[in-house]
Amino acid sequence: GAGVSQSPSNKVTEKGKDVELRCDPISGHTALYWYRQSLGQGLEFLIYFQGNSAPDKSGLPSDRFSAERTGGSVSTLTIQRTQQEDSAVYLCASSVYRGQMYGYTFGSGTRLTVV
Amino acid sequence: KNQVEQSPQSLIILEGKNCTLQCNYTVSPFSNLRWYKQDTGRGPVSLTIMTFSENTKSNGRYTATLDADTKQSSLHITASQLSDSASYICVVLLKAAGNKLTFGGGTRVLVKP
Repeated sequence: GAGVSQSPSNKVTEKGKDVELRCDPISGHTALYWYRQSLGQGLEFLIYFQGNSAPDKSGLPSDRFSAERTGGSVSTLTIQRTQQEDSAVYLCASSVYRGQMYGYTFGSGTRLTVV
Repeated sequence: KNQVEQSPQSLIILEGKNCTLQCNYTVSPFSNLRWYKQDTGRGPVSLTIMTFSENTKSNGRYTATLDADTKQSSLHITASQLSDSASYICVVLLKAAGNKLTFGGGTRVLVKP
């Protein structure tokens, strides 16, 4: 597709359950980012994949959070043993270097609600 | 302390009026400063991108300014429309941070008829 696709768009889960969030980046974009946006808050960086390099995991809030990017394309963000404070919108973005600048495209996000 | 501060947090304006949003940042050196528009339930969409050497950049009714000396940027919306109701986010791209985006908290704008 032409944009960054995220699924599911909404997810309600019970506290303690594991969830997987998926991101399909734009084809050809070498970098992929995950951000979290809590209600009324700014975007919080979680993790960054660039090509075949080791991912930058410096933003992951706890070891319950992990992410993979298979084949340099699709990425999955996994949250284990979800807590209520994990409720937020999880945004994925992909980027490509073009015209001496990085262009970023965001998906519409997955709204996660932990009950 | 947030490295990118925006003000006001929210504002309400009447359709057709102008408004200006402020962004102060402490991070440097940066590659560029961006303003994004985020509609409710959507991801952020880029409005303007400015390098440190640029002072102003326009995109339709949106005009962004940058003062690299005072580390301030503003986004001016001219002749506001109902569709301008959204969150506007100031974002700095750091050279030394693997091109990660550093986001401000956003200004939520509501345009009323």
